[in-house]
Amino acid sequence: DSGVTQTPKHLITATGQRVTLRCSPRSGDLSVYWYQQSLDQGLQFLIQYYNGEERAKGNILERFSAQQFPDLHSELNLSSLELGDSALYFCASSAQDRGTEAFFGQGTRLTVV
Amino acid sequence: GEDVEQSLFLSVREGDSSVINCTYTDSSSTYLYWYKQEPGAGLQLLTYIFSNMDMKQDQRLTVLLNKKDKHLSLRIADTQTGDSAIYFCAGEVRFGAGTRLTVKP
Repeated sequence: DSGVTQTPKHLITATGQRVTLRCSPRSGDLSVYWYQQSLDQGLQFLIQYYNGEERAKGNILERFSAQQFPDLHSELNLSSLELGDSALYFCASSAQDRGTEAFFGQGTRLTVV
Repeated sequence: GEDVEQSLFLSVREGDSSVINCTYTDSSSTYLYWYKQEPGAGLQLLTYIFSNMDMKQDQRLTVLLNKKDKHLSLRIADTQTGDSAIYFCAGEVRFGAGTRLTVKP
């Protein structure tokens, strides 16, 4: 158990809908990272938050957004969902900023139908 | 951006050593990582190496870093069937496509 909790574990939704994925980092970790793993794109870094502030941005679509709350949990919002958004979404946390060891949650499997 | 490339497949016999290779383009990562993903499971951090190190050994795992050639490798000694998984090489932002290691008895 990495100490990073992601909910829900599975999510099935229709195209055009909006979903929110939640991540609770390890206790004391200030950084949260979001990744998308899909069959055609592989594993991609989406975005990082550090102590509530956006720190780094990767290949995140404009339809997607994220935030980190004062209690350090994070949410990834995916809107106007398309079939191609079906993927495993991982959250990871680390104690400090990038360059420190990160621990991954088990992922949320999103299926868009 | 940082591109990370690795071969897609590797097959070895149980008891042999496995070597998974990775090349990267951007040298700005402070750490370089190896992750393991078993079928249907999440990512597990296996080991990492600080960018100013050449080698790191951790039990059966040996990581070699050649900064000049931007080449990273992971050696698994005495490979077991339980080592069958996908191994990802990663910098701080980008991941390789993953190498599927198959261990034959």
